[in-house]
Amino acid sequence: QKEVEQDPGPLSVPEGAIVSLNCTYSNSAFQYFMWYRQYSRKGPELLMYTYSSGNKEDGRFTAQVDKSSKYISLFIRDSQPSDSATYLCAMSESGAQKLVFGQGTRLTINP
Amino acid sequence: ETGVTQSPTHLIKTRGQQVTLRCSSQSGHNTVSWYQQALGQGPQFIFQYYREEENGRGNFPPRFSGLQFPNYSSELNVNALELDDSALYLCASSGGQPTDTQYFGPGTRLTVL
Repeated sequence: QKEVEQDPGPLSVPEGAIVSLNCTYSNSAFQYFMWYRQYSRKGPELLMYTYSSGNKEDGRFTAQVDKSSKYISLFIRDSQPSDSATYLCAMSESGAQKLVFGQGTRLTINP
Repeated sequence: ETGVTQSPTHLIKTRGQQVTLRCSSQSGHNTVSWYQQALGQGPQFIFQYYREEENGRGNFPPRFSGLQFPNYSSELNVNALELDDSALYLCASSGGQPTDTQYFGPGTRLTVL
């Protein structure tokens, strides 16, 4: 069993829809939770960074962490075609240490 | 502020050869981590360097080795290349504090024939 599980998709939604992306994990020592966006043939770009449980909002993006369920989510409101990318969840026991990634979900927003 | 840069962008090698990949960390960052990302997969941690010392290693064989220099730039060396080493190699830098996060470079795409 992988430490971090993420549905690889692909996920295709119409422009303007609310997108929900999720990851589950097994290591209860994880404290730092991140979402990265990766465009084709590019490096991952940090979108959201959360410590421990709770919600964090940044513009159209909301990250949620439920440590009791070992479940994290990323919501994208008013999705745009430019949001089409692969979304990677990542987590670590210490933010500066080894990141453990999910497989990534490939998202397409259709105009 | 300069971000993380990597070189070369891509290269092609044959099985059994050796390769060196380079990374310049973001200004002010003293920690560099290397990841391997196979096609369709998430990145996998190779190792991390903090102030020129190895500070953690993932499940990769010894033929994967690295260096960090006094200016905090870094190299990843891979000996005896295998076909499965074909991947995107990502470098990430951070400030080294527990609350810091990692910022990634664009990656080097390695193809082993």
